[in-house]
Amino acid sequence: AQTVTQSQPEMSVQEAETVTLSCTYDTSENNYYLFWYKQPPSRQMILVIRQEAYKQQNATENRFSVNFQKAAKSFSLKISDSQLGDTAMYFCAFIGGTSYGKLTFGQGTILTVHP
Amino acid sequence: DGGITQSPKYLFRKEGQNVTLSCEQNLNHDAMYWYRQDPGQGLRLIYYSQIVNDFQKGDIAEGYSVSREKKESFPLTVTSAQKNPTAFYLCASSILGTRTDQPQHFGDGTRLSIL
Repeated sequence: AQTVTQSQPEMSVQEAETVTLSCTYDTSENNYYLFWYKQPPSRQMILVIRQEAYKQQNATENRFSVNFQKAAKSFSLKISDSQLGDTAMYFCAFIGGTSYGKLTFGQGTILTVHP
Repeated sequence: DGGITQSPKYLFRKEGQNVTLSCEQNLNHDAMYWYRQDPGQGLRLIYYSQIVNDFQKGDIAEGYSVSREKKESFPLTVTSAQKNPTAFYLCASSILGTRTDQPQHFGDGTRLSIL
């Protein structure tokens, strides 16, 4: 069974600064995807970024980028130039090749961006 | 606009009562999922369905039931057997459950409370 661990329950950052959220996972599969989802106070789940395990290049989406370390089973999210609208709960999630689409989520990290 | 509609937004259950949460999608997605989110925690999978007339138990299926009579609809019934139903419930869908590269799209959720 896969597990996803987010060891930082809460983080805070000043507006315009950079913050990194940590995520580790455990799996025996070779083919899988990793995702970061954002859940703002409205509670809607929004996909932020995704990474395929076979790709060595780290994924980037505008101000969001990941540091994917496959051997260490680590998948951290870096948010550059933090904005007030980035305040949300962030979830790391995993789908394996044999998961039939079932996401395994971490416990979440609450990020607060201060003006 | 395509998307996932969950209703109602808020729902209250009396002791011994069954209640049904609605989830409808117009994204033409094959797979649909129900998750439960408790305060400060990640999402846990209740049930999922890859195709019409077929569904599978997730990690916490006890006290819940589902049906998948139409591709667009995946209602969740919280039965009286679920002794701790108070939570936030999220419905999701994806193009095809076996495609691990396809992200799940989420509805806005239903908050269920006990009266």
